[in-house]
Amino acid sequence: EPEVTQTPSHQVTQMGQEVILRCVPISNHLYFYWYRQILGQKVEFLVSFYNNEISEKSEIFDDQFSVERPDGSNFTLKIRSTKLEDSAMYFCASGETNYGYTFGSGTRLTVV
Amino acid sequence: EDQVTQSPEALRLQEGESSSLNCSYTVSGLRGLFWYRQDPGKGPEFLFTLYSAGEEKEKERLKATLTKKESFLHITAPKPEDSATYLCAVQALRAAGNKLTFGGGTRVLVKP
Repeated sequence: EPEVTQTPSHQVTQMGQEVILRCVPISNHLYFYWYRQILGQKVEFLVSFYNNEISEKSEIFDDQFSVERPDGSNFTLKIRSTKLEDSAMYFCASGETNYGYTFGSGTRLTVV
Repeated sequence: EDQVTQSPEALRLQEGESSSLNCSYTVSGLRGLFWYRQDPGKGPEFLFTLYSAGEEKEKERLKATLTKKESFLHITAPKPEDSATYLCAVQALRAAGNKLTFGGGTRVLVKP
């Protein structure tokens, strides 16, 4: 069964450093998303991406965050200058239509 | 603002002891209500989508139902492998960027 692949599974970074989280969505999907889950809290929407542009972003997704689809297969989330409160599980998701997603297994980001 | 509340927060069951999980929601026009299963350290795994009140869907020991204000996930004769966190999410008709709003989840532990 097709799946969304995320790398790395765990990333530890120092506060203030830039990180790039990588995702390979399912190949025929057109809609791409990033969500995050702080330990013990709800899954939260960050951003959605369609037709090579951001279609919606949440209040969390400030100027420190950016997304890119550099080629036909990868979808990345960059955090420019990480803060302690960015520590969370980050989930990439993709969808063939504009409803219903498949989520990846996540990247656990730990900022120290 | 869309809101999703799940109850109970945690549920301990004996193997074979059937139970129900509740998801109450408020949304400005429902496009879909989604149930996901999440194992520790993993991403949400899709179970069901429900679109309109009265709709029911089943998969193995799980059955999801929908009314205008809530959804139930019934677990019939659960097995230890059904232990997981079950997440409910809604997508509004006018969801900008196809955003999902998640509830806090119900942690289910099934003991043999």
